[in-house]
Amino acid sequence: GESVGLHLPTLSVQEGDNSIINCAYSNSASDYFIWYKQESGKGPQFIIDIRSNMDKRQGQRVTVLLNKTVKHLSLQIAATQPGDSAVYFCAENSGNEKLTFGTGTRLTIIP
Amino acid sequence: GAGVSQTPSNKVTEKGKYVELRCDPISGHTALYWYRQSLGQGPEFLIYFQGTGAADDSGLPNDRFFAVRPEGSVSTLKIQRTERGDSAVYLCASSFHRGGINEQFFGPGTRLTVL
Repeated sequence: GESVGLHLPTLSVQEGDNSIINCAYSNSASDYFIWYKQESGKGPQFIIDIRSNMDKRQGQRVTVLLNKTVKHLSLQIAATQPGDSAVYFCAENSGNEKLTFGTGTRLTIIP
Repeated sequence: GAGVSQTPSNKVTEKGKYVELRCDPISGHTALYWYRQSLGQGPEFLIYFQGTGAADDSGLPNDRFFAVRPEGSVSTLKIQRTERGDSAVYLCASSFHRGGINEQFFGPGTRLTVL
């Protein structure tokens, strides 16, 4: 079946450095992608989204890149802070209202 | 403003018992979703409501699971004859559709433990 997956389950980054979290998806019909941040004991929190007709979108300290040719999504976090430590999920929506999530990447910011 | 709230935050029950999990969506949000998140995994879709009706219940694992949203606001997820494999965090999300964008806002979840 269709799935969304992540390349790396864990990532450690020095505080102040930039981090890149990658995600591969397999449903070529997906037209909307979202990155969520989940802290321990909390629900996923929306970070940024991108439609399939775009290849880049920027937010505050975050950038999402979409490469439809290789079905790859990435989240770049600039100047990481201790509060960025969390599990990050990519999710896809193929127009049927339900989100399909990957297994997540745990990001740890080293002081 | 208030976000999505879920009660209880934790529920411990014994195998075979019946449980109800409640979700209060963001006021005015027409769509409501239930997901289940097992340890170390991403959330998995269970069911989606548009208003009072279940528009898509394809993610419910079996007939022991049922959800209602009688007045188009609060929703209850009901699990009969619980099994140890039902242990997980049950997440609720709501959204207000606009122009095809479906930004779902999640609640903190209910952690269900079946002994």
